[in-house]
Amino acid sequence: GIQVEQSPPDLILQEGANSTLRCNFSDSVNNLQWFHQNPWGQLINLFYIPSGTKQNGRLSATTVATERYSLLYISSSQTTDSGVYFCAVEYPGSGNTGKLIFGQGTTLQVKP
Amino acid sequence: GAVVSQHPSRVICKSGTSVKIECRSLDFQATTMFWYRQFPKQSLMLMATSNEGSKATYEQGVEKDKFLINHASLTLSTLTVTSAHPEDSSFYICSVTSGGLREQYFGPGTRLTVT
Repeated sequence: GIQVEQSPPDLILQEGANSTLRCNFSDSVNNLQWFHQNPWGQLINLFYIPSGTKQNGRLSATTVATERYSLLYISSSQTTDSGVYFCAVEYPGSGNTGKLIFGQGTTLQVKP
Repeated sequence: GAVVSQHPSRVICKSGTSVKIECRSLDFQATTMFWYRQFPKQSLMLMATSNEGSKATYEQGVEKDKFLINHASLTLSTLTVTSAHPEDSSFYICSVTSGGLREQYFGPGTRLTVT
């Protein structure tokens, strides 16, 4: 099966700093999503980005499918950005079932 | 995106009893629903895929007789944990998707504690 690796596993930032989170995957994918899991456990959709670049406010994401990685950029971080960031992929070998395979996540703590 | 609810949000039950968790898609006809389990400080692990009107497909290592899934309508799927044991204590999360839509939308999760 496909391997999804996220780095770094943990990240501590001072409020206002920028950061880049990385997601590497071992096979071609037909779906890639970034999520933020807040301290109460809710997963919030950030980006659906199987390829290309998207931006939403202070967040942006880039997926280079040919090189099998995706990056999530957080600019001017705020304490409310704290939580766990997951990337998840769907790959053709899953038989077009829509199943997502999650990485292990990056735990972000933004200090005031 | 879709709005997904789960009920209950938190449940404590005694070992040997059964617990039912509901997942509702409030504004979206979900042809497919997924059930995940998440242990503390770990990632989400897919348990099963549920298509409306058909039997669920379980991931390897997930006991289908223990985790009963019913997807009777386009807006409701249920997960029943039968004869629960303390090792079943976990955070259970559902997600929904539909047809050609590739994105999944997640419920708020249900925290199960078995004593």
